[in-house]
Amino acid sequence: ETGVTQTPRHLVMGMTNKKSLKCEQHLGHNAMYWYKQSAKKPLELMFVYNFKEQTENNSVPSRFSPECPNSSHLFLHLHTLQPEDSALYLCASSQDLQIQGYNSPLHFGNGTRLTVT
Amino acid sequence: QKEVEQNSGPLSVPEGAIASLNCTYSDRGSQSFFWYRQYSGKSPELIMFIYSNGDKEDGRFTAQLNKASQYVSLLIRDSQPSDSATYLCAVNPRNSGNTPLVFGKGTRLSVIA
Repeated sequence: ETGVTQTPRHLVMGMTNKKSLKCEQHLGHNAMYWYKQSAKKPLELMFVYNFKEQTENNSVPSRFSPECPNSSHLFLHLHTLQPEDSALYLCASSQDLQIQGYNSPLHFGNGTRLTVT
Repeated sequence: QKEVEQNSGPLSVPEGAIASLNCTYSDRGSQSFFWYRQYSGKSPELIMFIYSNGDKEDGRFTAQLNKASQYVSLLIRDSQPSDSATYLCAVNPRNSGNTPLVFGKGTRLSVIA
């Protein structure tokens, strides 16, 4: 059982819908991340939060809007998405952003499989 | 643009054989290297890390690093069907600072019983 929980597991939405993905970590970590995983592409880092402050926005379109109300929770708000946004969205956490090494590995959630119709 | 390259596979090996997974990276200044395993429908999990040139062994897994050739590999000895998964190579370009990991596309391994 992962210490990082994501809901929902699956989501189908139309291009005009607004939905949110939720991530919660029970590991006491300080850094949280959103990744996008598409078929035949590398994991793409989208956003990074460290101690609730956004430290990285990896040129992500504004139709994706992250929110981090506290160190344990992370949201990804979605609106007016495109079919090419269909992918697996993975949340991850690590103890410390600055030491992404063996003593601070990424812990991933099981992801939300998003389909945009 | 920092890149991590992996052969997407699938790599098929018979049970009991050695599986060899390879990864190259473009940033010569990269300092730390990781292998994550991802089962179908599951999240990636860290299985090995290596910082120094040479070999590092952990059970049936051996990571090999050659910084001069910008090459890192993962060997799995006595491969089992349960090793069938996608293996993601990840590189931390720098040891300090807010530097997120750069991932490769992953190599899909299939161990045939």
